[in-house]
Amino acid sequence: DVKVTQSSRYLVKRTGEKVFLECVQDMDHENMFWYRQDPGLGLRLIYFSYDVKMKEKGDIPEGYSVSREKKERFSLILESASTNQTSMYLCASSSLAREKLFFGSGTQLSVL
Amino acid sequence: SQQGEEDPQALSIQEGENATMNCSYKTSINNLQWYRQNSGRGLVHLILIRSNEREKHSGRLRVTLDTSKKSSSLLITASRAADTSSYFCATVKGSNYQLIWGAGTKLIIKP
Repeated sequence: DVKVTQSSRYLVKRTGEKVFLECVQDMDHENMFWYRQDPGLGLRLIYFSYDVKMKEKGDIPEGYSVSREKKERFSLILESASTNQTSMYLCASSSLAREKLFFGSGTQLSVL
Repeated sequence: SQQGEEDPQALSIQEGENATMNCSYKTSINNLQWYRQNSGRGLVHLILIRSNEREKHSGRLRVTLDTSKKSSSLLITASRAADTSSYFCATVKGSNYQLIWGAGTKLIIKP
């Protein structure tokens, strides 16, 4: 079975902490995405990457950075976590044509 | 940015009935995809319909696409309790495959 694996299902962090969310895919996909999902706001794209070391900002990149050193791994970094970053974070991967996205199970992050 | 808009926002029906959800979008597209998401989980791809197709079937799912009206519908026939989920449409457009999500329809199937 194809798989996108997010490192944590639930995470609780303190304000100001540096937070790393990891995502690994086993499908040799070019594209990888990080979304956040909040009630009533749908999926909002934070960053995506179409190749190793390549990244592009999505709709809400402020307060986040990403890293893609290997094709299978895409990391989301919250440099200094804030309470308004409490959210569900979803990682996804796809081929270049984006005809089918595969999602991880999500990480529910709480920043206290 | 959100291009797709689903309606209704929420739908509650009896088991066995058919469920219809709609998605509208603003600009021309390459394809339109439907996903479902169980509470607190990731999304799962259901079906893709290309801009030159009008109807597609997959099991109990039927998707239609009307490019003149810029809208799509997802029909789930003979609904089951396990169909309770949120359903999202996503459009892909342009040579850079820009992907845009709708806000979703929450479907509840009552036993």
